[in-house]
Amino acid sequence: EAGVAQSPRYKIIEKRQSVAFWCNPISGHATLYWYQQILGQGPKLLIQFQNNGVVDDSQLPKDRFSAERLKGVDSTLKIQPAKLEDSAVYLCASSLAPTRHGGEVYEQYFGPGTRLTVT
Amino acid sequence: KQEVTQIPAALSVPEGENLVLNCSFTDSAIYNLQWFRQDPGKGLTSLLLIQSSQREQTSGRLNASLDKSSGRSTLYIAASQPGDSATYLCAVRPGRTSYGKLTFGQGTILTVHP
Repeated sequence: EAGVAQSPRYKIIEKRQSVAFWCNPISGHATLYWYQQILGQGPKLLIQFQNNGVVDDSQLPKDRFSAERLKGVDSTLKIQPAKLEDSAVYLCASSLAPTRHGGEVYEQYFGPGTRLTVT
Repeated sequence: KQEVTQIPAALSVPEGENLVLNCSFTDSAIYNLQWFRQDPGKGLTSLLLIQSSQREQTSGRLNASLDKSSGRSTLYIAASQPGDSATYLCAVRPGRTSYGKLTFGQGTILTVHP
């Protein structure tokens, strides 16, 4: 079974430029997550999709970050314009559909991440 | 707001030593707790998941315990090996609100030297 794929693996841009990251989840996984991991910190959830709908984007800086998941499969995360503090690793994860009212909670599988450096 | 803290931030031990990593969380209303391993340049790999009704989980040389009422979890690694060197993260999933949303600690960087 192929894992979660992300590209690019590394990106260096100047502040105020724009950048986009791509994620391809595991086949059949309905839920997709984007996390931001700043050096020395744990990952922080930016946005969660269930199929192509947004479940949680409460920690997404919507003035500069946007994300979409067309057709409920691949997803892109965009930053425009980038700031120095956006330097981080952006992780994508996927899982089967979690249940809201308890029951089995499906494990999240993580991709290798994209390391973004903003200069 | 749930906060997760891991102690120590970094740990260096000789090969063969048994060790304990600590994780604490402020809101005890969790659905489950998960321990991950992160290798440089790679994503997270799930090690153990403990449901809120469970006290511990074991996998090979790893044992994780959960004391929900006190907001603590420990990851015990027996007979450590150089291949165990990585960053270890704990994360909790809330039991009452958003489903699937993990809150992570900042991690413990483990180095096991030969």
